[in-house]
Amino acid sequence: DQQVKQNSPSLSVQEGRISILNCDYTNSMFDYFLWYKKYPAEGPTFLISISSIKDKNEDGRFTVFLNKSAKHLSLHIVPSQPGDSAVYFCPVNAGNNRKLIWGLGTSLAVNP
Amino acid sequence: DTGVSQNPRHKITKRGQNVTFRCDPISEHNRLYWYRQTLGQGPEFLTYFQNEAQLEKSRLLSDRFSAERPKGSFSTLEIQRTEQGDSAMYLCASSSGGLAGPSGTGELFFGEGSRLTVL
Repeated sequence: DQQVKQNSPSLSVQEGRISILNCDYTNSMFDYFLWYKKYPAEGPTFLISISSIKDKNEDGRFTVFLNKSAKHLSLHIVPSQPGDSAVYFCPVNAGNNRKLIWGLGTSLAVNP
Repeated sequence: DTGVSQNPRHKITKRGQNVTFRCDPISEHNRLYWYRQTLGQGPEFLTYFQNEAQLEKSRLLSDRFSAERPKGSFSTLEIQRTEQGDSAMYLCASSSGGLAGPSGTGELFFGEGSRLTVL
């Protein structure tokens, strides 16, 4: 029973265009949301996060939007670059101990 | 390099053997986590330490698994009598205490992982 759902296993985008990665969660009590990217044979790398008291957080090319009523968040990457090609995860923080609950990830391919 | 360090990076073993992985966290971080990731899945939480105390264990962590963090610094994850289903990437992460880390973002910092293949 997936508490974090990333319904698109893969996404392909042209370099310079916007990449939009989506994530849905089931528990309205989740209060902190993160995005990580992962290259093959490496550990996940933190990108950006958002707490439930906000609906938007921006850091350079990365913007995360949170829609609490829909239990949905998205990551926008603009402009997309070939180096952004990786698997993207949207774990949620399940409590003070920062135990993260992860979805299956979305594989992003940015084509030159 | 002051990031999270894991070794060995790769381990191939025969079924029934014991293996041990080591994780050296970022030095000022008091929290340490072990996760496991199999192909096509997201990381799954295994266990968590605050300093030397193991505060939570997942039901995924069977009796064949044991993790320690004896001095509140590095940690080891041992798997006894390995099975083919134990083949996975074992990820270690660390963080400072509280809801928000030094950067205020609350993230975990991951190592590069230890890949286990059980033949």
